[in-house]
Amino acid sequence: SQQGEEDPQALSIQEGENATMNCSYKTSINNLQWYRQNSGRGLVHLILIRSNEREKHSGRLRVTLDTSKKSSSLLITASRAADTASYFCATVAGYQLIWGAGTKLIIKP
Amino acid sequence: DGGITQSPKYLFRKEGQNVTLSCEQNLNHDAMYWYRQDPGQGLRLIYYSQIVNDFQKGDIAEGYSVSREKKESFPLTVTSAQKNPTAFYLCASSKGASYNEQFFGPGTRLTVL
Repeated sequence: SQQGEEDPQALSIQEGENATMNCSYKTSINNLQWYRQNSGRGLVHLILIRSNEREKHSGRLRVTLDTSKKSSSLLITASRAADTASYFCATVAGYQLIWGAGTKLIIKP
Repeated sequence: DGGITQSPKYLFRKEGQNVTLSCEQNLNHDAMYWYRQDPGQGLRLIYYSQIVNDFQKGDIAEGYSVSREKKESFPLTVTSAQKNPTAFYLCASSKGASYNEQFFGPGTRLTVL
């Protein structure tokens, strides 16, 4: 079962530009989490935003959550080559995290 | 350093063989998880365990088995009953419930020859 869906599926931008990825989900949530995965590696947790929060920051990352629209966005400012990765949102359904298919982000030098 | 280790990194299996993927954590986490990832897709939950000697099936448990005899260890066996086992397997753990942050191992890539 797929709860979260990221948009776009792929994004290619120039280094220094901002990157925005979106996540939509279907059911009410406890929290929503964003993770990064470098090619062929495990996932790394970026940010957790709770259902009663609207915005959260961590360094160059900004996450927003709109529970009325059942959507979240991840903004990466001043992108760097090292940001090239796949980004996944995950929402809680019962005892599980339900994952979207991810956005593949490519930062061009 | 605290973290999760998975071994081996690459594994090749002949059809009809069972193979066991190792997952060890020294984070003192109660909960552990096994996910399968296919190319261009998100993660799908195979099994999870919230406490020692207890585990539950996820969405795609058929053809897989697990054990949780120690807090630190959660091995996954891919049996010959799994029809299409070639995939990237990820182990994760979390402190307490699954809606907390999950920490991932580096993954094992299994290829069936």
